[in-house]
Amino acid sequence: NAGVTQTPKFQVLKTGQSMTLQCAQDMNHEYMSWYRQDPGMGLRLIHYSVGAGITDQGEVPNGYNVSRSTTEDFPLRLLSAAPSQTSVYFCASSYQVSSGNTIYFGEGSWLTVV
Amino acid sequence: DQQVKQNSPSLSVQEGRISILNCDYTNSMFDYFLWYKKYPAEGPTFLISISSIKDKNEDGRFTVFLNKSAKHLSLHIVPSQPGDSAVYFCAAYLIQGAQKLVFGQGTRLTINP
Repeated sequence: NAGVTQTPKFQVLKTGQSMTLQCAQDMNHEYMSWYRQDPGMGLRLIHYSVGAGITDQGEVPNGYNVSRSTTEDFPLRLLSAAPSQTSVYFCASSYQVSSGNTIYFGEGSWLTVV
Repeated sequence: DQQVKQNSPSLSVQEGRISILNCDYTNSMFDYFLWYKKYPAEGPTFLISISSIKDKNEDGRFTVFLNKSAKHLSLHIVPSQPGDSAVYFCAAYLIQGAQKLVFGQGTRLTINP
């Protein structure tokens, strides 16, 4: 996985706790996004950003907040964790929209909410 | 509403034979299609892509075919190797607007020696 770093890799939260999943890329990509992967569901888009200061909702945004203050970083915040947010989270980045641009993924963050 | 579907959760193929993974989609406006490969505990890695203006793209042992009239694409791996054992996701996106990938559910490919 080229240049997309996610932390932490594993996290256990209690219901109601808050936390931030960090994502950083060093490829000067404009586009960044967060996905969650659940069994039998593939990867579903949570939030995305097409550049610093610009964010938008994806397919499953409820319960998550994002911000994009720099090109490099795109943190995902869980304000009040719920068991339904137990999942594997992937951050991704690519150059701005253009045909055939490869989207690179981080290695994933495993989150369990008890 | 699943816009991209992979109806086979798993596929088992003998080493050296051809692996064919299938994917169907419902949105005829998709501009680009991609295949990603995912090993356990790792992020998806890009494998091969195809533009909607083409019907075939080849890269070594991997070939992707696109049938727009049927809204169907397939990934062929020839010959299959043990290292190809992984989960394969097809994905699609629209160039207009944001580059939002829509993924299928994935197919777990197992290559048997």
